[in-house]
Amino acid sequence: DAGVTQSPTHLIKTRGQQVTLRCSPISGHKSVSWYQQVLGQGPQFIFQYYEKEERGRGNFPDRFSARQFPNYSSELNVNALLLGDSALYLCASSSGPQTNEKLFFGSGTQLSVL
Amino acid sequence: AQKITQTQPGMFVQEKEAVTLDCTYDTSDPSYGLFWYKQPSSGEMIFLIYQGSYDQQNATEGRYSLNFQKARKSANLVISASQLGDSAMYFCAMKRGNQGGKLIFGQGTELSVKP
Repeated sequence: DAGVTQSPTHLIKTRGQQVTLRCSPISGHKSVSWYQQVLGQGPQFIFQYYEKEERGRGNFPDRFSARQFPNYSSELNVNALLLGDSALYLCASSSGPQTNEKLFFGSGTQLSVL
Repeated sequence: AQKITQTQPGMFVQEKEAVTLDCTYDTSDPSYGLFWYKQPSSGEMIFLIYQGSYDQQNATEGRYSLNFQKARKSANLVISASQLGDSAMYFCAMKRGNQGGKLIFGQGTELSVKP
């Protein structure tokens, strides 16, 4: 079975532009979460979606938005890019939101903002 | 506030030896989950092991075991018989009982396995 897939793998944008990152969860998984990992740090939680509804939001500005589609895939949008948005963006999927549900991650999208 | 602390920025271990990576956590929730992930240079986060706060026994997954000491709020990862392919960043993470998809990560420990 395919794991979590993310696209694109790498992206270069300039300040002020907008970007859309995509994620397909493991088949059968209905929950998708997004994380930002700045170089040298642990990932930071951005959003969680379960059954197409937002279930959690981290401490990120409104420039960050996301949605989940009927097939449970998800998009993360970032508007008005800043240099500080340069990071690895990771998507994780799980069967559901319960505490003991394991999160499985994709390989990430490396975003560089120039 | 919930927090994960990994105090070892880098660790070295000889191939075939065992190594312990430290993790302490802070939460007031009675229900939580603790996770360890491996992140090679390729960037993917690979799930290694899970321990629930109500689990009576320490979790084990192949060469990985979790030394869970609830009173001390520690969840150390033990890797037995280290292999060269174990060289990577290792992250400890916690999930609160009512925040299903939100993992709180530590800063990570970089493990280097020497031949």
